[in-house]
Amino acid sequence: DSGVTQTPKHLITATGQRVTLRCSPRSGDLSVYWYQQSLDQGLQFLIQYYNGEERAKGNILERFSAQQFPDLHSELNLSSLELGDSALYFCASSAEGHHSGNTIYFGEGSWLTVV
Amino acid sequence: GENVEQHPSTLSVQEGDSAVIKCTYSDSASNYFPWYKQELGKRPQLIIDIRSNVGEKKDQRIAVTLNKTAKHFSLHITETQPEDSAVYFCAAPSWGKLQFGAGTQVVVTP
Repeated sequence: DSGVTQTPKHLITATGQRVTLRCSPRSGDLSVYWYQQSLDQGLQFLIQYYNGEERAKGNILERFSAQQFPDLHSELNLSSLELGDSALYFCASSAEGHHSGNTIYFGEGSWLTVV
Repeated sequence: GENVEQHPSTLSVQEGDSAVIKCTYSDSASNYFPWYKQELGKRPQLIIDIRSNVGEKKDQRIAVTLNKTAKHFSLHITETQPEDSAVYFCAAPSWGKLQFGAGTQVVVTP
């Protein structure tokens, strides 16, 4: 158990809908990261938050948004869903905001299926 | 660019043999290089990492080497076992983001 908690574990929804994925980082970690992993694909970095502020942005679609709340949990909002958005979405957390020597720990992921 | 390139994409080895996976990075300021193992349907788990002030690090059957001049680092698994079968990802910081390689599917056959 990495200490990073993600909900829901599985989600099936229809095209055009909107979903919210939730993540609680490890106790004491200030940074939260979101990654997308499609079938047989690598880990695509979406976005990072540090202590409530956006720190880095990757290939995140405009239909997607995220935020980190004062209690440090984070939510990833996916809207106008398309079939191609079906993927495993990972949240990860780390103690600090930069990657130099900063181990990140992954949650179990949220499986999203868009039908 | 920001890419971390990883090779090979698939690797099949006989049980007991060694496996080597190589990654290259482009950001010369990168100074931390973790390796993650991901079993099917599960989360990536850190198995070993190396910082730029050392050239090699070992942990039992796993070792990582780093060549900062050439900007590449490698994962070495010796005496492979069936439970080593998984996808392995390298990663490197790249202009503020931790970028992952595309992954290597390692299959250890008995």
